[in-house]
Amino acid sequence: EAQVTQNPRYLITVTGKKLTVTCSQNMNHEYMSWYRQDPGLGLRQIYYSMNVEVTDKGDVPEGYKVSRKEKRNFPLILESPSPNQTSLYFCASTLSGSRQETQYFGPGTRLLVL
Amino acid sequence: RKEVEQDPGPFNVPEGATVAFNCTYSNSASQSFFWYRQDCRKEPKLLMSVYSSGNEDGRFTAQLNRASQYISLLIRDSKLSDSATYLCVGGGSTGNQFYFGTGTSLTVIP
Repeated sequence: EAQVTQNPRYLITVTGKKLTVTCSQNMNHEYMSWYRQDPGLGLRQIYYSMNVEVTDKGDVPEGYKVSRKEKRNFPLILESPSPNQTSLYFCASTLSGSRQETQYFGPGTRLLVL
Repeated sequence: RKEVEQDPGPFNVPEGATVAFNCTYSNSASQSFFWYRQDCRKEPKLLMSVYSSGNEDGRFTAQLNRASQYISLLIRDSKLSDSATYLCVGGGSTGNQFYFGTGTSLTVIP
């Protein structure tokens, strides 16, 4: 089954404790992206990757890091989480990033930073 | 100003009604537009892409008006299962960024 998976689905942590949210897709997609969704603000793009070893900042990259060492995986790293990073996070992938292609979203990760 | 803006609603309509959502975008060079549907606490899923000539998929019709910089979604003969949040998405003019509206909430009432 074609899908985007994220882990963990739910995470409660404390300020400053490094964490990684994993994202994996099995569709051989080149383009992958991370979003955060907050009430009243909608989905905002954090980082995206056009292909292996190619990453770019989205609208809200501060406090986040990403890496793309393999095509299928695109982890999101919070080196020193803060309470304002409490949010719902979605990973998404698209075949090639072409502007008319569908983005497939993972199920989301709910993060609470205390 | 946000790249993409839409009325958050909520829209509460009876079954069988026709409902329309509009979304405006600020960057005239934006190249691609979509409507996604998001059910409560779930991931967004593509409802339909929006093409310059307008497009229809069953009860759903999407339109793009480049002159006024807005896109619309029309839902005819609303079903209870149409209750969801509808997200308008614009693709950036440079690179491959995507900008989401905050979503419009629709509840279809029996």
